[in-house]
Amino acid sequence: DAGVIQSPRHEVTEMGQEVTLRCKPISGHDYLFWYRQTMMRGLELLIYFNNNVPIDDSGMPEDRFSAKMPNASFSTLKIQPSEPRDSAVYFCASSRQGREKLFFGSGTQLSVL
Amino acid sequence: AQSVTQPDIHITVSEGASLELRCNYSYGATPYLFWYVQSPGQGLQLLLKYFSGDTLVQGIKGFEAEFKRSQSSFNLRKPSVHWSDAAEYFCAVGAHAGGTSYGKLTFGQGTILTVHP
Repeated sequence: DAGVIQSPRHEVTEMGQEVTLRCKPISGHDYLFWYRQTMMRGLELLIYFNNNVPIDDSGMPEDRFSAKMPNASFSTLKIQPSEPRDSAVYFCASSRQGREKLFFGSGTQLSVL
Repeated sequence: AQSVTQPDIHITVSEGASLELRCNYSYGATPYLFWYVQSPGQGLQLLLKYFSGDTLVQGIKGFEAEFKRSQSSFNLRKPSVHWSDAAEYFCAVGAHAGGTSYGKLTFGQGTILTVHP
């Protein structure tokens, strides 16, 4: 299996632009998680899905952030409009039935100038 | 609310020396505890976990951790460190929310491990 695949690996954008991060979970995994890693706040859970349905989005920082999972093999995290404080590494992770090992993607390094 | 504290931001050890990374947690019930490792530019990889039972748990790459409820600690240990162990290590606590014991995690700030030859 190819593991959790995230794209792009790096994204540089200007403040005010829309940013879309993409994630392909491992086939057969029914839980998908979006985490954000910053120097100041460390690793934070933003949102997670079960069977494509958002279960808990309490970690989403504000309305500028939205996440979707239109099918079992694809999820997006969108920031609109982006701000410099959104600069971080965004990780996607998936697991099977939520009680098995969590597999992380390699992350998307986002820089908002 | 649950929280995790890793008191050491950066630890340096010599190759072959023993290692102990500290982790303290705060959680109202029996915690689910994890240690993850992150190599530069990579995602996190699970080293080991504690759910219940034996308080000394073995993980991959020769790591082990001991759960001490009285001290609210879950320290990671390795008897002999290899240069390839240089990475950042994260302790995490999980809440059993539905089926997401492994996924809905609160992480510590991480400890960077440097290994000298």
